[in-house]
Amino acid sequence: GESVGLHLPTLSVQEGDNSIINCAYSNSASDYFIWYKQESGKGPQFIIDIRSNMDKRQGQRVTVLLNKTVKHLSLQIAATQPGDSAVYFCAENSGNQFYFGTGTSLTVIP
Amino acid sequence: DAGVIQSPRHEVTEMGQEVTLRCKPISGHDYLFWYRQTMMRGLELLIYFNNNVPIDDSGMPEDRFSAKMPNASFSTLKIQPSEPRDSAVYFCASSPGKGAAEAFFGQGTRLTVV
Repeated sequence: GESVGLHLPTLSVQEGDNSIINCAYSNSASDYFIWYKQESGKGPQFIIDIRSNMDKRQGQRVTVLLNKTVKHLSLQIAATQPGDSAVYFCAENSGNQFYFGTGTSLTVIP
Repeated sequence: DAGVIQSPRHEVTEMGQEVTLRCKPISGHDYLFWYRQTMMRGLELLIYFNNNVPIDDSGMPEDRFSAKMPNASFSTLKIQPSEPRDSAVYFCASSPGKGAAEAFFGQGTRLTVV
């Protein structure tokens, strides 16, 4: 039979626009969440984190929103730049382990 | 600190050969993780260590895979014998403390088994 690969959700935005990347997590007991950025040929790189006692956290050009009711995270990137093109993963920390989502591929159109 | 250092960056080997991947975590980090990344499965946790002791190896796919951490500054992931389906990028990550702490990733080792 034909094998099916992992099809990453993709998002294309114009340079200068805002980007919103979404993530659903599975474990309601998870108390810490991280967004990672992975550029081609590199390992995941930390962007921003949020603890479960918060619903919003802002960094430089990035904002993470946490909705524990529906177990949903989002990453907002303001004024998206070509250098933001990458795959973005959310990760949930349960105990001492990190569990990663499948990722979203962001392409910034100059 | 230079970050998490993995070697080699690329490895091409023939099916049946032994492969050893190496990792040097960030000094002072008590946790070390091995991940595998493929297009089919995304990023999967294979095993993690706390203070050099393996805590959870439930992600290790089969007995052909083994990992060791003989000291706080070095870990290996070994595949013996290797198979083409082991082809993937293997990442090592380290974390400074228990629970809520970000993991810092190495650049990864791209393994190709032919």
